[in-house]
Amino acid sequence: AQTVTQSQPEMSVQEAETVTLSCTYDTSESDYYLFWYKQPPSRQMILVIRQEAYKQQNATENRFSVNFQKAAKSFSLKISDSQLGDAAMYFCAYRKIQGAQKLVFGQGTRLTINP
Amino acid sequence: DVKVTQSSRYLVKRTGEKVFLECVQDMDHENMFWYRQDPGLGLRLIYFSYDVKMKEKGDIPEGYSVSREKKERFSLILESASTNQTSMYLCASSLGGSINEQFFGPGTRLTVL
Repeated sequence: AQTVTQSQPEMSVQEAETVTLSCTYDTSESDYYLFWYKQPPSRQMILVIRQEAYKQQNATENRFSVNFQKAAKSFSLKISDSQLGDAAMYFCAYRKIQGAQKLVFGQGTRLTINP
Repeated sequence: DVKVTQSSRYLVKRTGEKVFLECVQDMDHENMFWYRQDPGLGLRLIYFSYDVKMKEKGDIPEGYSVSREKKERFSLILESASTNQTSMYLCASSLGGSINEQFFGPGTRLTVL
């Protein structure tokens, strides 16, 4: 069975600085999808960024980028120029390409932004 | 914008009660999901459905059942609520196929006393 591990329960960063959230996963599949979701306090979970495993190029969405290391099964999220609105729980998630679209989530990392 | 709504934000029930959690999406999505979220455990899949009247067990289905009579609505049922089912419940939906993202509802925080 696939597993996703986020080893940092909490992280904090100064406003305008850069922070990296870690995620590792375990799978025997060669192709799959990886996601980072953000859950702001008392608000709905939203997708931050996604990566197809067959693409070597790391995904980027404005201030958010990933470092995808397929051989190491690592998928970290980098947030540049951190803003107060980035404070949230961040979840890493994995999905197989074939079959049901079920997501396997990590434990989450609570990110605090210090003004 | 995709909208996923859940019937209640907060719910308090007593042990042994039958509990219904409702989820509605307005974008004609084929897939719908129920997760529970617990601190330190992330989100765990309870059940999902890829079509009307179709359902599949997720990773933690024990103590739960689901119903999907209409495409836009997916209900989670706790037949006899227990204290260990106190949790945050999140509903999500997605289009079928490929890398389509899941859209989440606001969640229902259920407390079973």
